[in-house]
Amino acid sequence: EADIYQTPRYLVIGTGKKITLECSQTMGHDKMYWYQQDPGMELHLIHYSYGVNSTEKGDLSSESTVSRIRTEHFPLTLESARPSHTSQYLCASRQVPEGGYTFGSGTRLTVV
Amino acid sequence: SQKIEQNSEALNIQEGKTATLTCNYTNYSPAYLQWYRQDPGRGPVFLLLIRENEKEKRKERLKVTFDTTLKQSLFHITASQPADSATYLCALSKTGTASKLTFGTGTRLQVTL
Repeated sequence: EADIYQTPRYLVIGTGKKITLECSQTMGHDKMYWYQQDPGMELHLIHYSYGVNSTEKGDLSSESTVSRIRTEHFPLTLESARPSHTSQYLCASRQVPEGGYTFGSGTRLTVV
Repeated sequence: SQKIEQNSEALNIQEGKTATLTCNYTNYSPAYLQWYRQDPGRGPVFLLLIRENEKEKRKERLKVTFDTTLKQSLFHITASQPADSATYLCALSKTGTASKLTFGTGTRLQVTL
């Protein structure tokens, strides 16, 4: 059972709204990641963090921002949502350098 | 450019048979390769990891091979069951960037009775 939690599970929001997608893990993992996935497509890394106060942009350019003030919490924020942001957002964490990722269940975001 | 390729067409097999999924990559020197299972609307679940200096790894009914010369990994599920039906993702970590995984698009497996 995953020990990484994402809320909300589903979100429908109007264009121009500010949103924050929550991600929390109880495993004490240092490394955390945000991936974006469209239906039938591969996961794309948009942000990652190696620990508190560490954040980096991923391979896919994203208008979102992240913060890592506490080890267990890695929220993603969109200041002004647009329809192009409609996608599934997946949060993951990992402890050991060569271990597998633990993923959350994802947030399916729809911007109308 | 770097590319990870998995069969985009679904693989349909009969219960009890062995399913074999392929992952090919180009322009990578992966430190290790991982396989994940993803069910519709859910996050991927980690299955197996194999390092560049390993040829084969097993876990229960699962077996992964890794051929760095052919730039290919094969993922086998023996005695497949309908509950194995899902999309299976291959993911690579490049040497020197051990913490970042790049994923393939996945292959959907359907196991029928």
